[in-house]
Amino acid sequence: ILNVEQSPQSLHVQEGDSTNFTCSFPSSNFYALHWYRWETAKSPEALFVMTLNGDEKKKGRISATLNTKEGYSYLYIKGSQPEDSATYLCAFIGGDNFNKFYFGSGTKLNVKP
Amino acid sequence: DAGVTQSPTHLIKTRGQQVTLRCSPKSGHDTVSWYQQALGQGPQFIFQYYEEEERQRGNFPDRFSGHQFPNYSSELNVNALLLGDSALYLCASSPLANVLTFGAGSRLTVL
Repeated sequence: ILNVEQSPQSLHVQEGDSTNFTCSFPSSNFYALHWYRWETAKSPEALFVMTLNGDEKKKGRISATLNTKEGYSYLYIKGSQPEDSATYLCAFIGGDNFNKFYFGSGTKLNVKP
Repeated sequence: DAGVTQSPTHLIKTRGQQVTLRCSPKSGHDTVSWYQQALGQGPQFIFQYYEEEERQRGNFPDRFSGHQFPNYSSELNVNALLLGDSALYLCASSPLANVLTFGAGSRLTVL
C-alpha cells in the first residue's frame, strides 16, 4: 500500500495570515505530484502539476514546491482570504503504476474574515 | 464545455441492493477514473477505464464493477450494498495520466 500523507488535517487562520501545509509521499518511482483545491459543494479543481525535483509553481497568492528526493511538497498561501477556504488535496502519481493517482486525505483550510 | 457530469447527485439505498452511478467525461477526455470518498478521508481510487477496458483497479472488492462505453461515458455498479459503501463517489476524466477533471459526485447513502 502506497501512503500519501497530508498535514495538518485542518487549519484555521485569520484573513491576511500566510499559511503552509505539507504533502508527504514515497521518494522512489516518482512520476508527478498534483495539488487540487476542493471548495464546499463544488468539484475538486487542479491547482498545480509538478514533475521535477525542485519545481516551484505559483498561481496568484498560492505557490507550491517539490522535493522528490525526500518525498514532500509544500503548498503556501500568502495573505489568506476567506475565498481560500477549501480542502487542499495532493495526489501522488508513481510507484508501480504511472496511471494511478494516490490521494492524501487533505488539509481543510478555514480563513476567518 | 459541460465538464464532467455525474448522475444521480444523491441516492438512498438499503443493504443488499444494487446501485448504478453514471459519468460523462469532459469533451476530449478518453480516460475515466472512479473514486470513493468516505467521511474524513481523501478520495480512494476504485478503478480506471480507457478504451472501454478496466486498466487499473484499486483495493476494492468485486462487488464494485464498471463499464466504459464507446462515447467514453462510464458506469460504476455496486452490488450487495453494505452500510460501509455510504460515501461520495467521484468520477474524474483526463487525457491519459494527465490532470484530472472531477465531476460533482454522487452521494450514496446505504441504510
